[in-house]
Amino acid sequence: DAGVIQSPRHEVTEMGQEVTLRCKPISGHDYLFWYRQTMMRGLELLIYFNNNVPIDDSGMPEDRFSAKMPNASFSTLKIQPSEPRDSAVYFCASSPDRVTDTQYFGPGTRLTVL
Amino acid sequence: AQKITQTQPGMFVQEKEAVTLDCTYDTSDQSYGLFWYKQPSSGEMIFLIYQGSYDEQNATEGRYSLNFQKARKSANLVISASQLGDSAMYFCAMLPWDYGGATNKLIFGTGTLLAVQP
Repeated sequence: DAGVIQSPRHEVTEMGQEVTLRCKPISGHDYLFWYRQTMMRGLELLIYFNNNVPIDDSGMPEDRFSAKMPNASFSTLKIQPSEPRDSAVYFCASSPDRVTDTQYFGPGTRLTVL
Repeated sequence: AQKITQTQPGMFVQEKEAVTLDCTYDTSDQSYGLFWYKQPSSGEMIFLIYQGSYDEQNATEGRYSLNFQKARKSANLVISASQLGDSAMYFCAMLPWDYGGATNKLIFGTGTLLAVQP
């Protein structure tokens, strides 16, 4: 079975531009998570969805970040406008149907904002 | 506060030998899950092994085993018969089972970089 799919794998953009990261969770998984990994802060949860509904967005750094999940097989994380401090690896993960389930990660998107 | 501590920033091990990666956690919750993930240089996060707080037996998955000592709040990862492909960053993580709040927040440690030498 296919794992979590993320695109693009690498993104280089200039400060002020809009960036959209995409994720396709594992089919049948009810939970979807967006994480950010930086050297300074490690791995941190930004937001997660259950059955396409955002449950907790307390990790979203500021209003420049937004996430949507229009259907069970697709989610986006948008940054507008982007800033150099947003440079990081962004991971999407999904888990089946219980709060205790293992989260499976996608390959990540490495974002560089110049 | 809930926290994962990995005290070994980096470790070396000879190929074919066993290695233990340390992980301690801090939580007041009675129910939680403990996970180990591997992150090779290519960057992906690969799930390795899981241990539930009520599991009496230590979890094992092939060459990976989790040495779970609940009273000491430790969840060390043991890799037997190390291979060159085991060279990677390893993260310990905890998932508190807050059913009332329905939080699914994985709390990660800072990681241990393992280098397997031939």
